[in-house]
Amino acid sequence: SAVISQKPSRDICQRGTSLTIQCQVDSQVTMMFWYRQQPGQSLTLIATANQGSEATYESGFVIDKFPISRPNLTFSTLTVSNMSPEDSSIYLCSVGGLTDTQYFGPGTRLTVL
Amino acid sequence: GQQLNQSPQSMFIQEGEDVSMNCTSSSIFNTWLWYKQDPGEGPVLLIALYKAGELTSNGRLTAQFGITRKDSFLNISASIPSDVGIYFCAGFKSGGSNYKLTFGKGTLLTVNP
Repeated sequence: SAVISQKPSRDICQRGTSLTIQCQVDSQVTMMFWYRQQPGQSLTLIATANQGSEATYESGFVIDKFPISRPNLTFSTLTVSNMSPEDSSIYLCSVGGLTDTQYFGPGTRLTVL
Repeated sequence: GQQLNQSPQSMFIQEGEDVSMNCTSSSIFNTWLWYKQDPGEGPVLLIALYKAGELTSNGRLTAQFGITRKDSFLNISASIPSDVGIYFCAGFKSGGSNYKLTFGKGTLLTVNP
């Protein structure tokens, strides 16, 4: 399976600011995804990061709040914009291919004060 | 949207005991995945199931893809303290342009030495 890294691993941010999270994969992958895991909860898909085009967002998530970039097949970023305490979560990127299997990065633990 | 019903929500067992957890859905899935998440980490893929009726083992772990394609179970035999963590089932319904993985709410496993 691919080796996935995320930066930062954790951060504490002030309300109203933005944070960009990076996801790097050690090999080219077809699909990249961003998830949110709120404290004590399961994983919820935010969007699919599409290489060379706009991300596909799930219901309840919008591009203005969570802009996503995917400039190539090994890298993606998720920005959490105009943060509020409700955005405190673990943000995870995952990668997948043609076998429907997804592998996850270590996550970014975000706390918004 | 899609929902997976995962049970039990939590389990407290003694080291050496066997464990069973399951997921059910009202919809058909093409792939079932089982993940384990340790505190502060991203989910790690344990077993992937791609065919109805498939029974797959990974060491002490055994998982099955239900014949109706609406359920799956995971068994852990002879549990050890490092089995502690949250176990998630996930179902995948491919098709179209949206490869969406739906997660269960997780089973928190505690193993008493």
